[in-house]
Amino acid sequence: DSGVTQTPKHLITATGQRVTLRCSPRSGDLSVYWYQQSLDQGLQFLIQYYNGEERAKGNILERFSAQQFPDLHSELNLSSLELGDSALYFCASSVVGTNYYGYTFGSGTRLTVV
Amino acid sequence: TQLLEQSPQFLSIQEGENLTVYCNSSSVFSSLQWYRQEPGEGPVLLVTVVTGGEVKKLKRLTFQFGDARKDSSLHITAAQPGDTGLYLCAGAWTGQETSGSRLTFGEGTQLTVNP
Repeated sequence: DSGVTQTPKHLITATGQRVTLRCSPRSGDLSVYWYQQSLDQGLQFLIQYYNGEERAKGNILERFSAQQFPDLHSELNLSSLELGDSALYFCASSVVGTNYYGYTFGSGTRLTVV
Repeated sequence: TQLLEQSPQFLSIQEGENLTVYCNSSSVFSSLQWYRQEPGEGPVLLVTVVTGGEVKKLKRLTFQFGDARKDSSLHITAAQPGDTGLYLCAGAWTGQETSGSRLTFGEGTQLTVNP
């Protein structure tokens, strides 16, 4: 157990639907990062939150949004889902908002859009 | 856009052999990390290197950071089947520290160690 909890572990949904992925960071970590991993593109950075505020944005689609709540858990919302959104979605957390300490990853949510 | 190139993409070896995987960029890293990922799990941090020329050892794994901080290598001695997995390097570039600290990952080296 890495200390980062992601739910659900698996999600199957139809095209056009909306889903919410949830992440609880490791205790004491203020930064939360969302990554998408697909077979042909590797791990792609989506978005980072630090202590409730958006800190950095990657190639996140407009159909996707995220937020970090006062208790530091984060949610990634994916809407108008397309077949190409099928992927593993990882949440990671780190101690502070810098990159020197490494990330602790959750086990991921496997999203399948049919 | 900064890119990380890892090589080889796939590596299949016999137990007991040595191997080296590489991670390269055209830009200078402020830090570089190596992760190992197993199927169905998230990547697990192995090491962070920060100083050019730095060498770190973790049991049979040796990590080296290039003098110019643009490349890194991971060497495994006497590989074992338990070393099988996807090895990812991840870097952050100079100047990113204050604008957000997300890591950029390479596409990984899939290592298979056969018994």
